[in-house]
Amino acid sequence: KQEVTQIPAALSVPEGENLVLNCSFTDSAIYNLQWFRQDPGKGLTSLLLIQSSQREQTSGRLNASLDKSSGRSTLYIAASQPGDSATYLCAVFGNQFYFGTGTSLTVIP
Amino acid sequence: GAVVSQHPSRVICKSGTSVKIECRSLDFQATTMFWYRQFPKQSLMLMATSNEGSKATYEQGVEKDKFLINHASLTLSTLTVTSAHPEDSSFYICSARESSNQPQHFGDGTRLSIL
Repeated sequence: KQEVTQIPAALSVPEGENLVLNCSFTDSAIYNLQWFRQDPGKGLTSLLLIQSSQREQTSGRLNASLDKSSGRSTLYIAASQPGDSATYLCAVFGNQFYFGTGTSLTVIP
Repeated sequence: GAVVSQHPSRVICKSGTSVKIECRSLDFQATTMFWYRQFPKQSLMLMATSNEGSKATYEQGVEKDKFLINHASLTLSTLTVTSAHPEDSSFYICSARESSNQPQHFGDGTRLSIL
């Protein structure tokens, strides 16, 4: 069974800092990987989708990479802002979606 | 961007009541919809996958007679929690996608509290 792990579980950084969130998965037979953001008590907002044939995707200050062979993905956030504070989830899609437990990010003004 | 509307956002009801949650894709046709449950401080867990016009596929451990899923059209799926009990209290989230190579888009979730 696919297992998705996110490290760290929580992260607190000062505003303006660049940061990296990590996601690892055990089964490399995936179709795609998706990064989401979740605000407290809310649903999920899709940030980036990387197909299994791709190595990275960029959207604004966000850059996600995928190394399928090693079972790893990173989400890079540049010039962090207090509004980036949320829980970030990665999910891999093989025959179904498997979610990590998330990284809770706090950006301190 | 693609929008998924989930209703209601919050439900509080007595034990034994059946509760229906709706998930609508507003600007695209969702061939597949997913239902997830999230307990406090835990990740989302997939409950079932539904394809339009066919029976839902339930994950192991999810009672299909308790969690009734209907995906009668390309824009609407419903989850009915039958005879709900306090242990069913959770955050339920639906998602929808247009095709297998498209991202999933999520509703805002439904907070279900059974007294």
